[in-house]
Amino acid sequence: GENVEQHPSTLSVQEGDSAVIKCTYSDSASNYFPWYKQELGKGPQLIIDIRSNVGEKKDQRIAVTLNKTAKHFSLHITETQPEDSAVYFCAASIKNSGYALNFGKGTSLLVTP
Amino acid sequence: NAGVTQTPKFQVLKTGQSMTLQCAQDMNHNSMYWYRQDPGMGLRLIYYSASEGTTDKGEVPNGYNVSRLNKREFSLRLESAAPSQTSVYFCASSYSPGLQETQYFGPGTRLLVL
Repeated sequence: GENVEQHPSTLSVQEGDSAVIKCTYSDSASNYFPWYKQELGKGPQLIIDIRSNVGEKKDQRIAVTLNKTAKHFSLHITETQPEDSAVYFCAASIKNSGYALNFGKGTSLLVTP
Repeated sequence: NAGVTQTPKFQVLKTGQSMTLQCAQDMNHNSMYWYRQDPGMGLRLIYYSASEGTTDKGEVPNGYNVSRLNKREFSLRLESAAPSQTSVYFCASSYSPGLQETQYFGPGTRLLVL
């Protein structure tokens, strides 16, 4: 299938700092880009999403930017807290698939007090 | 409102055995999906059902079959389990393609094939 590349695979920040995770995708038909947070032993949970007609979206400490021309999108978490520690996945929609998703391989974020 | 439920939570199989993973949602969603998650691989789509009565292959369908039993239920069957199918399996659902794409995930089924 089409690829979604995600970087970095691990990220360690101090509490209060910002964290940035970047993804690139290859399918130009993708038009929906969600971000999921997964805590240990649980299923992924949506934290924010963006559609291709929007360049940036913000929800409190979390923001996502999308550059459709370059086919990349990023997650920004400001004022990180220890409870932000989790694995984060980016994803891109698959054309003609009922909006099934191609996922990146995940970023393990550790926020240290 | 339980959301997406999956049974069983854990399962150990021997090579060659068969089993069915069950998934149900109570959100009146049209679309349902099965993913597998392996370490360092993210989530990969096995099969999906865009609407009741339809099913389609995803990225890694070999060795699996699915049934969309009704609007609520979408099961995944392993006919002859192999060690390569050791994984965590997640079911997800969404309201309708093109309207509300947010996928809601179940808690997962952890499968070990010996």
